[in-house]
Amino acid sequence: GQQVMQIPQYQHVQEGEDFTTYCNSSTTLSNIQWYKQRPGGHPVFLIQLVKSGEVKKQKRLTFQFGEAKKNSSLHITATQTTDVGTYFCALPVGSNYKLTFGKGTLLTVNP
Amino acid sequence: KAGVTQTPRYLIKTRGQQVTLSCSPISGHRSVSWYQQTPGQGLQFLFEYFSETQRNKGNFPGRFSGRQFSNSRSEMNVSTLELGDSALYLCASSLGLAGRSYEQYFGPGTRLTVT
Repeated sequence: GQQVMQIPQYQHVQEGEDFTTYCNSSTTLSNIQWYKQRPGGHPVFLIQLVKSGEVKKQKRLTFQFGEAKKNSSLHITATQTTDVGTYFCALPVGSNYKLTFGKGTLLTVNP
Repeated sequence: KAGVTQTPRYLIKTRGQQVTLSCSPISGHRSVSWYQQTPGQGLQFLFEYFSETQRNKGNFPGRFSGRQFSNSRSEMNVSTLELGDSALYLCASSLGLAGRSYEQYFGPGTRLTVT
């Protein structure tokens, strides 16, 4: 079956440092979504990528979809304490497009 | 526009009991998905309903069931509760099937504790 791997599992950075999380699939994807969950909160949709090689930016966040549509990354430039949380990728699996979440990357930021 | 609401927010049950959780999606959303979240397992997909039909199902035992009503509201039921069912149960709604490029909006969750 389709494998979803998200790395790293944890990342601790100093405020101002950059951060990247990666999501890899064993099969070609039709799309990929990214969510953020703050501690004690619920996941919140960040963005969706659909096209091969697509790059989207939201302020300090940059999202990329691989050329082969099998991997994606989320990069945060100059992290702030407000970036703390768990970042999940989510991708459709199977003929009914079941949305499957990666294990997530927990980001902590030291002020 | 009101967000996704879930009731109850907190619940304590004992082993062997059953529980029903409720989810009201955003108005106009026809798809409702349920997830179980635990510290060790992350977000585990339970099922997705669209227009009152279950369209996707996760790898959970038959003790976990759900349904969706004509107004898109959804309920999930867990029978014969086990200690391992203690978790945060999240409901999410979307305009269409989530995996078909529709963003999901999550509710605040129901924290279930089984003793």
